[in-house]
Amino acid sequence: DIVMTQSPDSLAVSLGERATINCKSSRSVLYSSNNKSYLAWYQQKPGQPPKLLIYWASTRESGVPDRFSGSGSGTDFTLTISSLQAEDVAVYYCQQYYSTPLTFGGGTKVEIK
Amino acid sequence: EVQLVESGGGLIQPGGSLRLSCAASGFTFSSYAMTWVRQAPGKGLEWVSGISGSGGSTSYANSVKGRFIISRDNSKNTLYLQMNGLRAEDTAVYYCAKGDRGDILTGYDYWGQGTLVTVSS
Repeated sequence: DIVMTQSPDSLAVSLGERATINCKSSRSVLYSSNNKSYLAWYQQKPGQPPKLLIYWASTRESGVPDRFSGSGSGTDFTLTISSLQAEDVAVYYCQQYYSTPLTFGGGTKVEIK
Repeated sequence: EVQLVESGGGLIQPGGSLRLSCAASGFTFSSYAMTWVRQAPGKGLEWVSGISGSGGSTSYANSVKGRFIISRDNSKNTLYLQMNGLRAEDTAVYYCAKGDRGDILTGYDYWGQGTLVTVSS
């Protein structure tokens, strides 16, 4: 199974400042035939289901604010919130869909400093 | 508007069985993979099982393999999860989610509100 490791477990960022979350996979999730990394990012607010933010490592889902961006390839990925807003307080998860079983990272809790 | 509504959760004794359902609407159900993801109280997300749009391909987490069966009825736009041999560690909110294509290996773009399964004597 591919193990997804997120860091940090939590971070506190001031409003308007940048938040950066890292995700590392135990094996490459880059599919060479299409040069796509099979990696998604989700946001989960308290009491709500997860929401897809980013897929193919860097493609923003429709309706997701452009302050959210994903980067990386292969085994190392980053989710960046360029200017943290109050409504961004949530837990963020990465997930690989390169192979089954699909696996999630442990989550990163983002709070306001 | 895409809607996913889970049902079938509840309190069940260890060793018991339960069948979850997920009623889908607002999209061509048979064209998209579906998945079940669970979240134990206060814990992170755990992928449980997935099924392709046609139903011809299924996959399971090691933790549920041999005990859970995923299926779908494309004529009824409904996803199912038959859960047998339930254990305390299966206690969680179970979410169904829609894939953004027919293959299980995809991101999941719409999620239901979840149904709580509690395994306890």
